[in-house]
Amino acid sequence: KNEVEQSPQNLTAQEGEFITINCSYSVGISALHWLQQHPGGGIVSLFMLSSGKKKHGRLIATINIQEKHSSLHITASHPRDSAVYICAVNHLGAARQLTFGSGTQLTVLP
Amino acid sequence: DSGVTQTPKHLITATGQRVTLRCSPRSGDLSVYWYQQSLDQGLQFLIQYYNGEERAKGNILERFSAQQFPDLHSELNLSSLELGDSALYFCASSPTHNEQFFGPGTRLTVL
Repeated sequence: KNEVEQSPQNLTAQEGEFITINCSYSVGISALHWLQQHPGGGIVSLFMLSSGKKKHGRLIATINIQEKHSSLHITASHPRDSAVYICAVNHLGAARQLTFGSGTQLTVLP
Repeated sequence: DSGVTQTPKHLITATGQRVTLRCSPRSGDLSVYWYQQSLDQGLQFLIQYYNGEERAKGNILERFSAQQFPDLHSELNLSSLELGDSALYFCASSPTHNEQFFGPGTRLTVL
């Protein structure tokens, strides 16, 4: 079983829809990240969370430490939101290296 | 722009060859991480350096090695290349224990 599981793997939505991507993890973590990767390949960090909830524009990220679960929400989705969204966790310990989920391919249709 | 630079952007080489990928971290960041993204394995941690010293190793093959220099730039050396080494290689630098800033990546194609 992977240490970080994401769902769904693929998601197609109509412009304007509310989108939720889920992430569950099974290891102790110091923080959780939501990353965005566009077709060109570059990775952009959207959020880093260790508790609670963060909001940036139309994006909202939440984490429940007790349940080892996080969600990324996109409100009023737009075709430019089409990308791969990746959940990643920092391991406990000195190195804090990231372990990644397999990603969610989001396509928003106009 | 994350402030992390990687060169080259693309690299095409043949099996059996050796290549060096370079990463310059953000100014002041002491930690550098290397990650590999392949189609079948996704993103995986390879190795981390902190202020010139190796701190952690992940799924890094023995054919691969890395180092971090006194000016804090890092190099990832890949030798005896195989077709399966074709991937995107990212480095990330970190100012804190958790936050990581990713470079644009180097796309390696082994023919």
